[in-house]
Amino acid sequence: NAGVTQTPKFQVLKTGQSMTLQCAQDMNHEYMSWYRQDPGMGLRLIHYSVGAGITDQGEVPNGYNVSRSTTEDFPLRLLSAAPSQTSVYFCASSPLGAAVAQHFGDGTRLSIL
Amino acid sequence: AQSVTQLGSHVSVSEGALVLLRCNYSSSVPPYLFWYVQYPNQGLQLLLKYTSAATLVKGINGFEAEFKKSETSFHLTKPSAHMSDAAEYFCAVSLSGGFKTIFGAGTRLFVKA
Repeated sequence: NAGVTQTPKFQVLKTGQSMTLQCAQDMNHEYMSWYRQDPGMGLRLIHYSVGAGITDQGEVPNGYNVSRSTTEDFPLRLLSAAPSQTSVYFCASSPLGAAVAQHFGDGTRLSIL
Repeated sequence: AQSVTQLGSHVSVSEGALVLLRCNYSSSVPPYLFWYVQYPNQGLQLLLKYTSAATLVKGINGFEAEFKKSETSFHLTKPSAHMSDAAEYFCAVSLSGGFKTIFGAGTRLFVKA
């Protein structure tokens, strides 16, 4: 039972570098999302997807891109990393529906110097 | 727009004492409400959820929460704290027909021996 798998678990980048955070789920969930977690701010939604080929912005989308070419995968791309993007990033998935709880990965800790 | 306020960023209780974590929400329509728990270096896990059935909801590990529409509250309680309950707890709200879940800032629970 893999659930939601995020890679890498830790990453250090220099300002201006780009990278992709990977997220994969094996539960055939239509809905996938990316959050960032910062102290005292809870989780803030970056982008989400309701199915392959469909993505939309959340609360804090600037500086991030996503795509959804398959049901299983939902990568998050940082185009030009900035120190303000230092955070813990969580991917989550669920069946469609507002009453449904999300399944979370274990997170990626990203530091940008 | 919906929002979630968790009162108290840190709560400390003695082992065996009552746990009370407060959550108030703002929503123009009946919400779906969730409590999640996060242990160190892990993702969030669902404790319980309210989806307009019974107003008193029982979750895992002896936790329960009561939906009070008149007070716009969804406080989390546990009669007797255990050392293993030490974690961060997040209240969250979503709306029917929507694709976004809004999280509170979180409350870190400390349990003293």
